[in-house]
Amino acid sequence: GAGVSQSPSNKVTEKGKDVELRCDPISGHTALYWYRQSLGQGLEFLIYFQGNSAPDKSGLPSDRFSAERTGGSVSTLTIQRTQQEDSAVYLCASSLQSGEQFFGPGTRLTVL
Amino acid sequence: AQSVTQPDIHITVSEGASLELRCNYSYGATPYLFWYVQSPGQGLQLLLKYFSGDTLVQGIKGFEAEFKRSQSSFNLRKPSVHWSDAAEYFCAVPDKGGNEKLTFGTGTRLTIIP
Repeated sequence: GAGVSQSPSNKVTEKGKDVELRCDPISGHTALYWYRQSLGQGLEFLIYFQGNSAPDKSGLPSDRFSAERTGGSVSTLTIQRTQQEDSAVYLCASSLQSGEQFFGPGTRLTVL
Repeated sequence: AQSVTQPDIHITVSEGASLELRCNYSYGATPYLFWYVQSPGQGLQLLLKYFSGDTLVQGIKGFEAEFKRSQSSFNLRKPSVHWSDAAEYFCAVPDKGGNEKLTFGTGTRLTIIP
């Protein structure tokens, strides 16, 4: 079956531009997570959606970062006014309510 | 907050040799524990997980890990490594002990030499 997919796989943008990163979770998975992987900070949690509950946004580094999940499925992570320190690989994962997290291949974001 | 320590940043072993990657965690109760592997340019793949019960856990690709409460450790082992095992390995613990957001260690990069 299909795994978690993310698009685009690579994104190069200029400082100050907005970007949108997309995640398609595994069908039927109620939980969706965004993580960021960067050289200086390792793997960091960003945001977590579980069913219809309010998302856990405790990992978002600034108010330039936001995410939504439409219809309990696809999620979009938006970064406004990108900065060079936003350059990283953004990983999405999904899971059943209680189970292992399945990760997508990631989106590599480069901010020039 | 939970924390996970992987003290070895980089390990080099010969093909066919045994491997042990260290992981220590800080958590009040008995946590769930995970090991993930990341090959270059790839996402994370779950190797194995500990939820409860038998403290020796078998995973995919011939890996196993042992949960030791007294040492707050969950070390990953493999008796004989293959060149394809070269990758980065991450230990992780959920935030609240269940399947919540994961806190990852800093990772151990494994290099295999012929």
